[in-house]
Amino acid sequence: GAVVSQHPSWVICKSGTSVKIECRSLDFQATTMFWYRQFPKQSLMLMATSNEGSKATYEQGVEKDKFLINHASLTLSTLTVTSAHPEDSSFYICSAEPGREYEQYFGPGTRLTVT
Amino acid sequence: AQSVAQPEDQVNVAEGNPLTVKCTYSVSGNPYLFWYVQYPNRGLQFLLKYITGDNLVKGSYGFEAEFNKSQTSFHLKKPSALVSDSALYFCAVRDRGAAGNKLTFGGGTRVLVKP
Repeated sequence: GAVVSQHPSWVICKSGTSVKIECRSLDFQATTMFWYRQFPKQSLMLMATSNEGSKATYEQGVEKDKFLINHASLTLSTLTVTSAHPEDSSFYICSAEPGREYEQYFGPGTRLTVT
Repeated sequence: AQSVAQPEDQVNVAEGNPLTVKCTYSVSGNPYLFWYVQYPNRGLQFLLKYITGDNLVKGSYGFEAEFNKSQTSFHLKKPSALVSDSALYFCAVRDRGAAGNKLTFGGGTRVLVKP
């Protein structure tokens, strides 16, 4: 149980285009999902907290207009990287949480390469 | 503010020997504590958590961790390491009393188990 999927697992896009990443909780409902960014050999940096039916809460320094987050249902959150640039190339990981006293369950990650 | 420190960037251990990965934390209230493991190009896998109760927590794959409130530590241990335990390990904390449910991660410790 407690499986989180991400799609795609790997994407290459050209500079200036937009890319959408999906995060799904497959066997539980998640009112809260989280989006992280991870640079090589570094820890996870929380980008935003996504709440079903409401606007995402972004961490300081994360551009809201560049990283659009939508949490349309209790099992799906999407992250859209708009007008991507090479510096947006990274490993993006989502997580979902069944409840406050539960651990977060992580997706397998999406590697984005912007050329 | 909450923070996590993993003082060792890398831990080397021979297969069959005990493995310890250190973690100390700082929160203003009482903590929820977690350990995750990450294999290359993958998301994080949950190992174990401390919420309340017994200070010694047993988790997946033979790992355990001990919550020590006076030392604000939550070290991860395994009595006999396997080569397959080689991976990146993250300790994480959440402040039980804080609004929201953000996890703060340590910088990660790379474990290398040699045959």
